[in-house]
Order: sequence, then C-alpha cells, then structure tokens
Amino acid sequence: QVQLQESGPGLVKPSETLSLTCSVSGGSISSYYWSWIRQPPGKGLEWIGYISYSGSTNFNPSLKSRVTISLDTSKNQFSLKLSSVTAADTAVYYCAREGFTAIDYWGQGTLVTVSS
Amino acid sequence: QSALTQPASVSGSPGQSITISCTGTSSDVGTYNVVSWYQHHPGKAPKLMIYEVNKRPSGVSNRFSGSKSGNTASLTISGLQAEDEADYFCCSYAGSSTWVFGGGTKLTVL
Repeated sequence: QVQLQESGPGLVKPSETLSLTCSVSGGSISSYYWSWIRQPPGKGLEWIGYISYSGSTNFNPSLKSRVTISLDTSKNQFSLKLSSVTAADTAVYYCAREGFTAIDYWGQGTLVTVSS
Repeated sequence: QSALTQPASVSGSPGQSITISCTGTSSDVGTYNVVSWYQHHPGKAPKLMIYEVNKRPSGVSNRFSGSKSGNTASLTISGLQAEDEADYFCCSYAGSSTWVFGGGTKLTVL
C-alpha cells in the first residue's frame, strides 16, 4: 500500500518561500507522476502541479511563475517550493500520486499559514 | 481552469440512496471520461472511490457507483451507512495534463 506524508514548516512569512517535502513509502518514486494539491480554508481543492518519474514537470497556469517541484529518488521524496507567498497561499497542502487515469493515493495534508 | 460545481451538502437516512452531482464544462467533464470521486474524512488522506467515471478500485464497496451525462458527473451511494458520513469531492482531467476539482460536498447520514 502506497503511503505519502507531507512535512515542512506550518508558518511562513509573506514574500518568503514555502517549502514542503513528501515522503513516499510502499512504492518507488521512480514510477508514476507525483502531484501537489492545495485547499484554502473554506474553499475547494486546487491542483498545483506534478513532476514525473523522469523529472518533467507541469504546473497550474495560475501558479506556474512561482512553483518549483523536484524529485529526490535516493530518498524516495519529492518537494514543493512556492515563492513570494501571500495570505492567499494559506491552505492545506496535499501530496499525491497520479495513476494512469486518476490521482489515486494522497497524503493526509499539512496546513501552511502565511502570516507575519 | 474553473472549479467543478458540487452541492455544499446532502443528507440521507441509513439505508437510503443519495446522489452527488459534479458539473463541469465541455473542456473537462464533458470531453474526458476521466472523472474520479474521493471520500475524505477530515484529518485523513482522501480515498479514491470511483475512477474513469464509473470504475471502482479494488476494495471499494459496490454501494458506490458513478455516472456521467454531458458536462455533469454523479456519484450515487446506495444503502447509506453511518460510516459513509464524510466529505466527497470530484476531480476531472482538464486537458494538457492538468486536473480540476469540485468544491466538495458534505454528506450527513441522519
């Protein structure tokens, strides 16, 4: 059973960079695509982007200029960086695996608050 | 990308059936048979219940079923049980390797 777990600071200051890591167990990160998704308080889910097993990436056009996703196969982890954050970036951030035709495994999510 | 539209809440009594709708556009739900549904208990990882509109992953009860008509997908839960009380959200492929989600529906079992 694939399991994913997000980790990182729960509080980030405005204008700084949000950094999160997703640790994957029960399966190799060297297959499939790996995504980040977020849910602001009281709002719906928003797909942020993915990185493939080969390192190619694709991002939500609304966030593309601020997002970096990277892969560390030696640690079976992938990471998210979101730059120049504002209060609008406060959200529960989820990491997930993209299967062939669905996002099939998710982490529990981690709340990141942007505040000074 | 616009979010998919779901009702904020639905409710039903044990044993009854309920249906949750998920309305998108011709750019997502209407074009692609790549719609999935998730069950989410707060604080836990969302669980995939339906994929490719109407397929169930191994281990998911056959009380859960999915369908699609035009730009609207639906999730039906039959024989409601107390354990079904959760948030449910839909997701559709939106082209160009992107995904769009619904706002989520809170299911209350009365």
